[in-house]
Amino acid sequence: AQSVTQPDIHITVSEGASLELRCNYSYGATPYLFWYVQSPGQGLQLLLKYFSGDTLVQGIKGFEAEFKRSQSSFNLRKPSVHWSDAAEYFCAVDAANQAGTALIFGKGTTLSVSS
Amino acid sequence: DAGVTQSPTHLIKTRGQQVTLRCSPKSGHDTVSWYQQALGQGPQFIFQYYEEEERQRGNFPDRFSGHQFPNYSSELNVNALLLGDSALYLCASSRSPTSTKEKLFFGSGTQLSVL
Repeated sequence: AQSVTQPDIHITVSEGASLELRCNYSYGATPYLFWYVQSPGQGLQLLLKYFSGDTLVQGIKGFEAEFKRSQSSFNLRKPSVHWSDAAEYFCAVDAANQAGTALIFGKGTTLSVSS
Repeated sequence: DAGVTQSPTHLIKTRGQQVTLRCSPKSGHDTVSWYQQALGQGPQFIFQYYEEEERQRGNFPDRFSGHQFPNYSSELNVNALLLGDSALYLCASSRSPTSTKEKLFFGSGTQLSVL
């Protein structure tokens, strides 16, 4: 069965510093991969997605992620973090059910930004 | 253009009661999915509705049921509430049920507390 692991529960980064959030997935074929962000009291907003092709994908708000098949990873990066980036970040994989759009989410990583 | 709207935003119920949550999809979307997000966890897929039928279901008991109306809005019903049903319930809509390439738009959720 597919699964997603986000090893870091909580990360604190200084404003202006770089950020990398880790995501590992378990899936037999090439997965569809996603990163979502959730601010307090808000729903999930899609940051970026990977389906195929170029393994480095660009998203909104200056985020990017790199798909590494050999490591079963899809880590999220940002070169310079802003205070407004403080939020919960979720990595997700397509459950690959041809009938639907069910996503399997990791448990999330809480990002705090210090000044 | 209104996004995905959910009501109510907060709800408090007692064990054994029944609850109904409502969702209006984004304009132009015909598919609605429901997710349960327990505290400190990632969202878990409950089920998906398209053309007024349940198309896909996650690992949730029959106490969880739903409905989709001709205008594409949807309801999530939970019977015989348990303390463990306390969670944020997220609704997501999309234009198609067949592929996660169609972007999912999430609502802000309904926070259900079961006492």
